[in-house]
Amino acid sequence: KNEVEQSPQNLTAQEGEFITINCSYSVGISALHWLQQHPGGGIVSLFMLSSGKKKHGRLIATINIQEKHSSLHITASHPRDSAVYICAPRGGSQGNLIFGKGTKLSVKP
Amino acid sequence: NAGVTQTPKFQVLKTGQSMTLQCAQDMNHEYMSWYRQDPGMGLRLIHYSVGAGITDQGEVPNGYNVSRSTTEDFPLRLLSAAPSQTSVYFCASSYAAPSEQFFGPGTRLTVL
Repeated sequence: KNEVEQSPQNLTAQEGEFITINCSYSVGISALHWLQQHPGGGIVSLFMLSSGKKKHGRLIATINIQEKHSSLHITASHPRDSAVYICAPRGGSQGNLIFGKGTKLSVKP
Repeated sequence: NAGVTQTPKFQVLKTGQSMTLQCAQDMNHEYMSWYRQDPGMGLRLIHYSVGAGITDQGEVPNGYNVSRSTTEDFPLRLLSAAPSQTSVYFCASSYAAPSEQFFGPGTRLTVL
C-alpha cells in the first residue's frame, strides 16, 4: 500500500498551459515538501509547507491537512519546467520524508 | 558554499566488493540522510543522522553501514555489494529534521 500517491504519473503540456500535480497521503504529517528532479538527476527543494499556500514565481503549492492532499501548480508553463516533481510528506515518529514516485512533466514549445 | 557534495559520481563494483560512498556538507547542518532511488519507486531512506555521533536506520538499511564522526561528513558503507544494491544514491542535509532539504548530486552505483 502506497502511503503517498501522486497524479498524474506523466504529463505532457504545451508551453503556456496551467499545470496541476496532485499528491494524496495516508499518514499523519507535520509538513510536506515538493521537490524537483532535473533531467540530469539533481534534486532541488521547491517548497516546504504545513498549511495553506505558498508561492514562488510561477509555482504555487497548496495543502489541506484535513483532507491529506496537496497540489503543485505551475502557471504559464515553459519547456525549462520539464522535470520530475516529487511530493514528500514528513511523517512518522522521527519526522523523516516519505516520497511519492514522482510526476514526469514534459512541456513542449 | 559547496553545499552537499558526493563522491564518486559513478561506480561499478563486482558482487562481494566493499566500498564507501562519501557525503559532505559545509552548511553546518545537523540532519543528514542517505536515500536510494530505483526505477518506478520513490526515494527510500537508508540511514539518517540527527547530529555527530548519532545515527539511525531508515526504511531499507540492510547491507549498509553509516557513521557520523563529524558534523560535515556522513559516509555510507557497503560491506559486501550485491546486485540488488544497484541504484542511484543521494545524500541530503538540513538544518534540522523538519526543514528544507539540500540534496547532493547523486552517485550512480552498478553492482555486477
